[in-house]
Amino acid sequence: DAGVIQSPRHEVTEMGQEVTLRCKPISGHNSLFWYRQTMMRGLELLIYFNNNVPIDDSGMPEDRFSAKMPNASFSTLKIQPSEPRDSAVYFCASSLGGRDGYTFGSGTRLTVV
Amino acid sequence: GENVEQHPSTLSVQEGDSAVIKCTYSDSASNYFPWYKQELGKRPQLIIDIRSNVGEKKDQRIAVTLNKTAKHFSLHITETQPEDSAVYFCAASGSGYALNFGKGTSLLVTP
Repeated sequence: DAGVIQSPRHEVTEMGQEVTLRCKPISGHNSLFWYRQTMMRGLELLIYFNNNVPIDDSGMPEDRFSAKMPNASFSTLKIQPSEPRDSAVYFCASSLGGRDGYTFGSGTRLTVV
Repeated sequence: GENVEQHPSTLSVQEGDSAVIKCTYSDSASNYFPWYKQELGKRPQLIIDIRSNVGEKKDQRIAVTLNKTAKHFSLHITETQPEDSAVYFCAASGSGYALNFGKGTSLLVTP
């Protein structure tokens, strides 16, 4: 298995632009998680899905952030409009049956200038 | 929700010494406690985990202990090597589906 695949690996965008991050979970995994990592705040849970259904989005910082999982093999995290404070590494992780045995993707390093 | 505290934030040891990282959690419903290692620029990777029905688990040079009464758990690395240098994260399951992570410990092993 290729593992959890995220794209792009790096994204540099100007403030105010829309940013879309993508994630393909491991085939057969039914839980998908989006985390944001910064030096100050560590790994923060943004949202997670179980069987493609959003279970908890209380970690999404603002209405500018939205996430979807239209099918079992694809999820997106969108920021519109982006701001410099959104600069971080965004990780997607998947698992079979919840919190056990997370596998993380390689992350997307987002820089908003 | 679950709150996970991790200490120390940085740790420097000499090669061959032991390293200990400690975490506390708040949600008594937590029953799964994994540890992740993240090398610079890489993804976090699971190195060991423990469930609430055991007090200790060991895998070669790595061990984890759990005290459910006190709500704390620890990672022990013996005979440290330079390749152990990384950021280590503890996590607790809480009562939901997702893991709650500590803020990480940056471990430096000097030759």
